[in-house]
Amino acid sequence: SAVISQKPSRDICQRGTSLTIQCQVDSQVTMMFWYRQQPGQSLTLIATANQGSEATYESGFVIDKFPISRPNLTFSTLTVSNMSPEDSSIYLCSVEDVRGPTYEQYFGPGTRLTVT
Amino acid sequence: KQEVTQIPAALSVPEGENLVLNCSFTDSAIYNLQWFRQDPGKGLTSLLLIQSSQREQTSGRLNASLDKSSGRSTLYIAASQPGDSATYLCAGGTSGSRLTFGEGTQLTVNP
Repeated sequence: SAVISQKPSRDICQRGTSLTIQCQVDSQVTMMFWYRQQPGQSLTLIATANQGSEATYESGFVIDKFPISRPNLTFSTLTVSNMSPEDSSIYLCSVEDVRGPTYEQYFGPGTRLTVT
Repeated sequence: KQEVTQIPAALSVPEGENLVLNCSFTDSAIYNLQWFRQDPGKGLTSLLLIQSSQREQTSGRLNASLDKSSGRSTLYIAASQPGDSATYLCAGGTSGSRLTFGEGTQLTVNP
């Protein structure tokens, strides 16, 4: 299975600032995903990031607020821009591992963001 | 639009008990169903994945089933242990490899 790391693991930020979260995978993957988990809730997909193309955003999420980079097949970043307390969440990246017979998704440890 | 529901929202059982977690989904056109475990403040650990052509998958004390016609999946945990305490999430995979998650079942296994 793919091994995924995220930086930072947690951060406390002031409203109006921006934070960039990094996601690193130990193998080359085509599809990477960014999810948000608000306090006490389940995960919601923010966007899909494929290398060499623009990220595809889900309904309710826009590029100006959550710009994403995907410079190569092992790395991606998510920026949370102009933060407000409502952005306080855990942000998780995941990858789809197609090396086996199934298309299983694996998740990073998450970045816990608190906006004050 | 796919919607995933998990019942119960929380479950507390004594150690050693066998238990079943339920997951239902609205769109039968899923291509797989994945069960995850999440410990407090942590990321997700993949437990089992069932492809749409399969009926069940087993890993150790865990068994997951999938019935596409009824829109249901179950996760069976045998001989539960305190270390099984966590939140269990099911997620349906649909077009574009998107996963739609349920709200989760918070499991507590008491020694």
